[in-house]
Amino acid sequence: EVQLVESGGALVQPGGSLRLSCVASGFSVSDDYMTWVRQAPGKGLEWVSVIYRGGDTKYADSVKGRFTISRDSSKNTLFLEMNGLRVEDTALYYCAKDLICTSWGQGTLVTVSS
Amino acid sequence: SYVLTQPPSVSVAPGKTARITCGGNNVGTKTLHWYQQKPGQAPVLVISYDSDRPSGIPERFSGSNSGNTATLTISGVEAGDEADYYCQVWDSTSDHMVFGGGTKLTVL
Repeated sequence: EVQLVESGGALVQPGGSLRLSCVASGFSVSDDYMTWVRQAPGKGLEWVSVIYRGGDTKYADSVKGRFTISRDSSKNTLFLEMNGLRVEDTALYYCAKDLICTSWGQGTLVTVSS
Repeated sequence: SYVLTQPPSVSVAPGKTARITCGGNNVGTKTLHWYQQKPGQAPVLVISYDSDRPSGIPERFSGSNSGNTATLTISGVEAGDEADYYCQVWDSTSDHMVFGGGTKLTVL
């Protein structure tokens, strides 16, 4: 059974940094596309980033240059390194399996506020 | 950048058919997916590749995609279908994933 568990969300000041983790089970994160999607409070889904099987990465324009997606095969874990956080980055961050998001975690909350 | 447009809300009586649209420029040339999100829960994939139902999704859910409009159809709507629904594509021009703004389905 595929399972995704995110962690690392916290309250952080504008300009701060956070690293989100997503531990996968039931499959290998290196064998699939892995995606980060966020949802601001009361708003819709917004794509953040994807890492391809081969390691190539893509980012939404709103986070490019500030966020970095990566994975650790030995820990079967997906990461999202977030720097230069802004108030508008406040959201519930989900990791999802594949480009068609066949499975989702429950999300981890990032709040950016002074 | 590519844009998907959904109506903010759709209302339907129990037992009737709900149709939720997702508009985009030549969206019929892209493969489109639909997600259901109930309050306080993570999204769930309900339709993939325009019209495929993942395992465990009731036959009441179906999808189509042609021209500039994709449609999610829910037949025999039940109270438990009340949720937000999102369409999604991968835009190969920009290498970006794109979500529609979401549609809140209300069962009257």
